[in-house]
Parts: sequence; C-alpha cells; structure tokens
Amino acid sequence: DVKVTQSSRYLVKRTGEKVFLECVQDMDHENMFWYRQDPGLGLRLIYFSYDVKMKEKGDIPEGYSVSREKKERFSLILESASTNQTSMYLCASSLDRAGAGNTIYFGEGSWLTVV
Amino acid sequence: GQNIDQPTEMTATEGAIVQINCTYQTSGFNGLFWYQQHAGEAPTFLSYNVLDGLEEKGRFSSFLSRSKGYSYLLLKELQMKDSASYLCAVRGEDSSYKLIFGSGTRLLVRP
Repeated sequence: DVKVTQSSRYLVKRTGEKVFLECVQDMDHENMFWYRQDPGLGLRLIYFSYDVKMKEKGDIPEGYSVSREKKERFSLILESASTNQTSMYLCASSLDRAGAGNTIYFGEGSWLTVV
Repeated sequence: GQNIDQPTEMTATEGAIVQINCTYQTSGFNGLFWYQQHAGEAPTFLSYNVLDGLEEKGRFSSFLSRSKGYSYLLLKELQMKDSASYLCAVRGEDSSYKLIFGSGTRLLVRP
C-alpha cells in the first residue's frame, strides 16, 4: 500500500513563527503536492513538485514556500505564520504517468492553528 | 476560469441509492476522479473516468459525459459508514498531473 506520512497531525503556533510541515512517501512517486482544505472552499493547491529540487506554484502559494531535497520528502514552510493560515494541510503524491495510474494518494493531514 | 460544482449536502436513508452530481468547466480534460473523505481523515480514491460511460466498482459507480462536462457518483445499498464527504476532482490539460477539486458533497446516511 502507498504510504504518505505527515510528521505532525496537530500543531499550534504563534503569529510570526516559522513553521515546517514535513511529508514523506514510500512509493518512489515523482509528483508531490501540498493542499490546504478549508470549509466551503475545498482543497486548494499550494505548491507541487514533479522532481527533486523542482517546484511549481499552485493556486495559492502566497505566504508559503517548499523544499524537495530528496525524492521521498516534500516540506511546506510558512516563513511567518499568520492567523489566516489556520487550516488543515494535506500532502499527496502520485506517479508521473497518465490515466488512473497517476491517482493522488493523500497523507493523514496536519491541522495547524495559528494564534 | 476553472470551476467544479457539487451540491454541498445530501441526506439519504440506509439501504437506499443516492446520486451525487458534479459539473465541471476546465481548460482541457484528462480525467475525473472521485474521492471519499471521512471527517478528520485524508481523502481516499474511489474511482476514475476518462472516457464517457459508466464505471462500476462494487456498490459504487461513476458516470462521465465529457460533452456535457458532467459526472455523477452512484452509491447503492447505502450503509451508515458511507456518511462522508465526496470530492470530485478533474485533471486539466497541462502535464503536471495536478488535480482541481470541487468543494465536496457531505452525505449523511440515516437509519
């Protein structure tokens, strides 16, 4: 089974803190993604990566950065956390191929509260 | 722009059949996915359609009409554990394999 692991399930951080959300996948997937999920807004793509050291902005990249130094690990960084970044963050990965083969697999989610 | 629409909430009775609709307007189309998400958990993959027609997988079926920009997820013999959110997602025309998600439909199954 595909395993996408997010290191922290629940975090509480203060405004202005630097926050790291870590994600590791064990299926040698090329693509990795960070989404946030908010009530009524669904899942929105923050950043994605299709290869080591490669990254592309998603729909809402402002206030975030990412790092992919190794194929299996994709980190989301909030340089200076703000209260409007309180959300559930979902990491996901997929193979780099067309069709159902590139089904996205999600991690368990990280609930971040910024106070 | 890109838009995916689903009803916000639906209620159905245990043992019944329910159909959850999804309409989409995207720049290009390379497949439609349905995911199930229980409260507080990650979304899990249910089905994939890229050609018109019905795909059946046990109690769940998914239908696609590309000309109408329309899909539905059909759940038969509803069980209490089917109470969850159901997310429709479309892959557009670029080659990045990212998915565009709808806001999800929250389904409540009652006894």
